Amino acid sequence: QKEVEQNSGPLSVPEGAIASLNCTYSDRGSQSFFWYRQYSGKSPELIMSIYSNGDKEDGRFTAQLNKASQYVSLLIRDSQPSDSATYLCAVPDSNYQLIWGAGTKLIIKP
Amino acid sequence: DAGVIQSPRHEVTEMGQEVTLRCKPISGHNSLFWYRQTMMRGLELLIYFNNNVPIDDSGMPEDRFSAKMPNASFSTLKIQPSEPRDSAVYFCASSNGVGTGGSTDTQYFGPGTRLTVL
Repeated sequence: QKEVEQNSGPLSVPEGAIASLNCTYSDRGSQSFFWYRQYSGKSPELIMSIYSNGDKEDGRFTAQLNKASQYVSLLIRDSQPSDSATYLCAVPDSNYQLIWGAGTKLIIKP
Repeated sequence: DAGVIQSPRHEVTEMGQEVTLRCKPISGHNSLFWYRQTMMRGLELLIYFNNNVPIDDSGMPEDRFSAKMPNASFSTLKIQPSEPRDSAVYFCASSNGVGTGGSTDTQYFGPGTRLTVL
């Protein structure tokens, strides 16, 4: 059973600080990794995808991938109250269906 | 593009009634997914279509659930008879390249249907 694990939180971060969200996965063959953001009462929306080891930056967001450790993280710099949401990690299985983590609830405190 | 369209947005029904949820995927996308989300179980994949053909329905809870995709622009998820434990948010998502890996695996979600079964 392939798994994607996330700390459910809530993770509380002061405004302006760096929020660090973590995800581990069980399938060593996984090649692509996705971070979705879900605001309360809304649908998940893609914010970052990463395919290669290392860092990928997009504005205030940085995804970090370490395939050897089966670990992917999302950093949010200069956190804003509008970043408060649940962040879902998703990893395709061998049939390219996404396996979803349970999500980490992030709270940015003004 | 209008994105993935779902209807109705909210549905309240009584136990035993039939419920039909509808989805229009993004034009040109060849894969469609039905998910259910609850606080207890998170996001669960119910069924996945590729080129209108059901590929994996192992997530469908039981025979009370059925899904169809008669053409590339429309899909339905039906629950008959409905039960209180079916209360959840049901999402439809589509993507344009499942089976090729990479960025084409990105799934785009509709706004969801919040189902309440009394």
